[in-house]
Amino acid sequence: SQTIHQWPATLVQPVGSPLSLECTVEGTSNPNLYWYRQAAGRGLQLLFYSVGIGQISSEVPQNLSASRPQDRQFILSSKKLLLSDSGFYLCAWSGTGFRANVLTFGAGSRLTVL
Amino acid sequence: QKEVEQNSGPLSVPEGAIASLNCTYSDRGSQSFFWYRQYSGKSPELIMFIYSNGDKEDGRFTAQLNKASQYVSLLIRDSQPSDSATYLCAVKQWDYKLSFGAGTTVTVRA
Repeated sequence: SQTIHQWPATLVQPVGSPLSLECTVEGTSNPNLYWYRQAAGRGLQLLFYSVGIGQISSEVPQNLSASRPQDRQFILSSKKLLLSDSGFYLCAWSGTGFRANVLTFGAGSRLTVL
Repeated sequence: QKEVEQNSGPLSVPEGAIASLNCTYSDRGSQSFFWYRQYSGKSPELIMFIYSNGDKEDGRFTAQLNKASQYVSLLIRDSQPSDSATYLCAVKQWDYKLSFGAGTTVTVRA
């Protein structure tokens, strides 16, 4: 069966510090991978998605970036965090064919920028 | 205009009653529609999806889709305290993108 791992679960970072969130998927190959952010009381905002190694599409221009160095690994980064980067970050994957649009989410990473 | 709109709630229903959640979307070309449940502090989990006009039932949950009215709903029958959560409506707009509503918070009173 497929599983998705995301870490760290919680982090508190000062403004201007770097960020790295990591996500890995097991039990499948060539998944579509996504990073979403959920601000308090808000809906999920798509940040990045990837359909293959090295292929990243950005939905929202901002100080975040994403990379996919391996087939089942997706990394969200920032060089300098802003207060507005606080939120609940969710990695998700989807398969192909009929279930291509069914997202399965990781447990999430809660980021507080002070 | 938001792409996907939901009433934020909270929607309070007594145990055993039917909870009715609504969602409207702006892109008439949308093809696929999803309902996710999110417990406080947790990540969303898929309840069900629907592609065709009409009703789709899965246990105590029924999704209803009306593409002409750009409207999708979720009914929760025999509501239980464990159904207390935020319910997110999501709409597929093109190949790989799902757009989410802000969610409706449901509270089931014992």
